[in-house]
This record gives sequence, C-alpha cells and structure tokens, in this order.
Amino acid sequence: QVQLVESGGGVVPPGTSLRLSCAASGFTFSSYGMHWVRQAPGKGLEWVALISYDGSDKDYADSVRGRFTISRDNSRSTLYVQMNSLRAEDTAVYYCARKRGGTVSLDYWGRGTLVTVSS
Amino acid sequence: QSVLTQPPSVSAAPGQKVTISCSGRSSNIENNYVSWYQHLPGTAPKLLIYDNEKRPSGIPDRFSGSKSGTSATLGITGLQTGDEADYYCGTWDSSLSAYVFGTGTKVTVL
Repeated sequence: QVQLVESGGGVVPPGTSLRLSCAASGFTFSSYGMHWVRQAPGKGLEWVALISYDGSDKDYADSVRGRFTISRDNSRSTLYVQMNSLRAEDTAVYYCARKRGGTVSLDYWGRGTLVTVSS
Repeated sequence: QSVLTQPPSVSAAPGQKVTISCSGRSSNIENNYVSWYQHLPGTAPKLLIYDNEKRPSGIPDRFSGSKSGTSATLGITGLQTGDEADYYCGTWDSSLSAYVFGTGTKVTVL
C-alpha cells in the first residue's frame, strides 16, 4: 500500500535552516508529482510546494518562495524540502502528499513532521 | 489568508445530512477541478472527492461533491460520529500558479 513517512522536523532558532524528507513506498515514486503542505498550530491547511514527477517543474506558495526549495531523488524514492531563513510563522506540521495522476489533487498523505521555529 | 471561503462549522444529528460550501473565483474554482479532504487532528488528511464529484475507491457514497460557477459543495448524508473532523476544499489557482485550500469547516455530530 502507499506509504509516505516524513522526517527531519525539530526545534530550530529563527534564521536557521532545516531539511525535511519524505520516504515513499508502495508505488512507482518516479511517476508521480509530489506536494508539501503545512498546518500551523490552530490553523488550516496551507499548500507549500509542488514538484513534477521528474523534478523539472516546481511551484511554490508566495509565503515560502525564495526561502524553500523542493527537490526529489527518484533513485531513493524520497522527496525533500530545504527550508532556509526560517521564521516563527513557519512553525507547523509539514505533510508530504502524492499528486493524483491526471489531476492536481492530493490523494495520499503522510502523518507529518513538526517544525518549531523558536529562540 | 485563504482565497477559498468555507463556513467555520456545521452540525447535525446522527443520520442527518450536512452540506459544506466553498466559495472562490474564476481563477480557481470556476476553471479548475475541486477536491475535498477530511482531516482528523493528529492523522494524515484523506482525499474524499476529486475532479469536483468523483470519489476515490473506498470512499462511501455518503460523500458527494458538486460545483457550479465559482462555488463548490460537499455533501455528507447519513452522518456518523466518525465523520467528526475538519473538511477542506482545494483547487489550483491559475493566477497564483499555486494550489489553494479553503479555510476549513469543522463538522460536529450532535
């Protein structure tokens, strides 16, 4: 079955960097686009970024563009997001999700990893 | 600040029906497919509806979706206590070149 497992979260000071990973299994990772989505404490879902199946196309939310970079390693079936210049407002649970083929909807999600940006 | 607006909460008794609206604009809902997601705190969100009205395998037909113009609607019939969760609409916004979620609606079973 499809499994997505995020890792790399933690507590970091403002201005620093962090890289999250998402290990995928149960499907042909190299055939699917992938999303990152986050949820700040007490808030709703916020889309972060999307990468195409081969990594050639990337889209970002305005709130993270220029600071976050989405990438993937199809040989390792792993999705990444490099987060730089972190701010307190980046504090959230970060989810990776698979892009359903033929649409942009998110059909399978991981359980998330918590990132806390605090001094 | 989300560009898709949902009511903060809806409620009904077990067995009854609820509908959740999602209001957007021409750059998102009107010209792109809408999806709906169910999220219980601490768990992975689940896709309920995609392409406005289609259900992934395993999603019961108690859940339905529709779209008209710049608005979309999720319906849940035969409400169960297990349906208590937060529900979000989502779609692509062609002007933003970004995926956008609704503000979210909490469903309470009375």
